[in-house]
Amino acid sequence: EIVLTQSPGTLSLSPGERATLSCRASQSVSANYLAWYQQKPGQAPRFLIYVASRRATGVPDRFSGSGSGTDFTLTISRLEPEDFAVYYCQQYGSSPLTFGGGTKVEIK
Amino acid sequence: QVQLVESGGGVVQPGGSLRLSCAASGFTFDTYGLHWVRQTPGKGLEGVAFIRHDGGSESYADSVKGRFTISRDNSKNTLYLQMNSLRPEDTAVYYCAKGFGIYSGYGSSFDLWGQGTLVTVSS
Repeated sequence: EIVLTQSPGTLSLSPGERATLSCRASQSVSANYLAWYQQKPGQAPRFLIYVASRRATGVPDRFSGSGSGTDFTLTISRLEPEDFAVYYCQQYGSSPLTFGGGTKVEIK
Repeated sequence: QVQLVESGGGVVQPGGSLRLSCAASGFTFDTYGLHWVRQTPGKGLEGVAFIRHDGGSESYADSVKGRFTISRDNSKNTLYLQMNSLRPEDTAVYYCAKGFGIYSGYGSSFDLWGQGTLVTVSS
């Protein structure tokens, strides 16, 4: 099973700042099949990024994904008030599908 | 409107059973693989079960294998999860999720999620 470790656990930033979130896999993610999701309290996760770097339909271009192999990054170029949430990575290249533990982006 | 709506959650005693439903609308139901994913504060997000677009293939997490059964009725645009022999560690919010991409298989990301239904296993 591929274990995904997200860091930091919490990121305290101000609106307008840049957020950099890390997702590290315990072994290489096949075909870079890595996705990112955003979740707000009481809501379901929202699909943001697939195959490491492709934005899902309707996702603002301030969100970008990068990385390959075992190291992946989600970057939010300039935080908007609605971006404060928890972010999860997920790998879907190997069975079982696994998720990271999440990074909370909170208002400083 | 493209959406998934879960129902059927509730409180059940250990060893009991529960059936979750997920009603889909706004997309061609029988061309997408579907998943159940659960979330707990302690263990986070966990993929529970998957079913192929035509119901011809299923896959389960080891933690639920032999106890849970996923099924779908393409004539009713509805996904199901039959949960038997429930344990306290099955307590979670259960989401149905649509695989990304037409005829998506087990290995997919999830581009649409329901709002979730809470299952509590407690005596």
